[in-house]
Amino acid sequence: KAGVTQTPRYLIKTRGQQVTLSCSPISGHRSVSWYQQTPGQGLQFLFEYFSETQRNKGNFPGRFSGRQFSNSRSEMNVSTLELGDSALYLCASRGSGNTIYFGEGSWLTVV
Amino acid sequence: QQQVKQSPQSLIVQKGGISIINCAYENTAFDYFPWYQQFPGKGPALLIAIRPDVSEKKEGRFTISFNKSAKQFSLHIMDSQPGDSATYFCAAAGTGNNRKLIWGLGTSLAVNP
Repeated sequence: KAGVTQTPRYLIKTRGQQVTLSCSPISGHRSVSWYQQTPGQGLQFLFEYFSETQRNKGNFPGRFSGRQFSNSRSEMNVSTLELGDSALYLCASRGSGNTIYFGEGSWLTVV
Repeated sequence: QQQVKQSPQSLIVQKGGISIINCAYENTAFDYFPWYQQFPGKGPALLIAIRPDVSEKKEGRFTISFNKSAKQFSLHIMDSQPGDSATYFCAAAGTGNNRKLIWGLGTSLAVNP
């Protein structure tokens, strides 16, 4: 069974631009969540989607948004990028239990 | 407000020693406590998890000890190996609408050969 797939793995953007990251969950998983990881800040929860509906949301500004499609694939978008948005963005999918499975992440560098 | 406090922030252990990482939580509604292991350049991976109906769970060299009254749980790595060098995260979650995982800030473990 394929794991959580995230694309792209690495990207560099300029301040003010926007970026879209993609996540394909494990087959059969309907819940997808997104995290931002920076050194010293641990895993910061962005949002969770279940069956195309946002179920939980973290404390991030409105520049961070997401969506989920009918096939459970998810995208997150960050608009008007700031230097502080440079981070590893992790997607995780959850099946019927509480166990979540992470992808390898998308490394975003904002210059 | 951080609801799961993890310590220490970093840990250095000699090969063959015992690594101990502690977490404390506040919300008594939490009933699922996983530990995740993350290697550089990789996403976190589930290592071991426990529910509050048991006080200890062991999987190989990894053991979770759980103290419900103190609202604390810890990860013990016996016979630590250089390959265990990674960042470890504890987390906690409840049930139903409270299933969102609340994460500790992580512990960077280095096992010296």
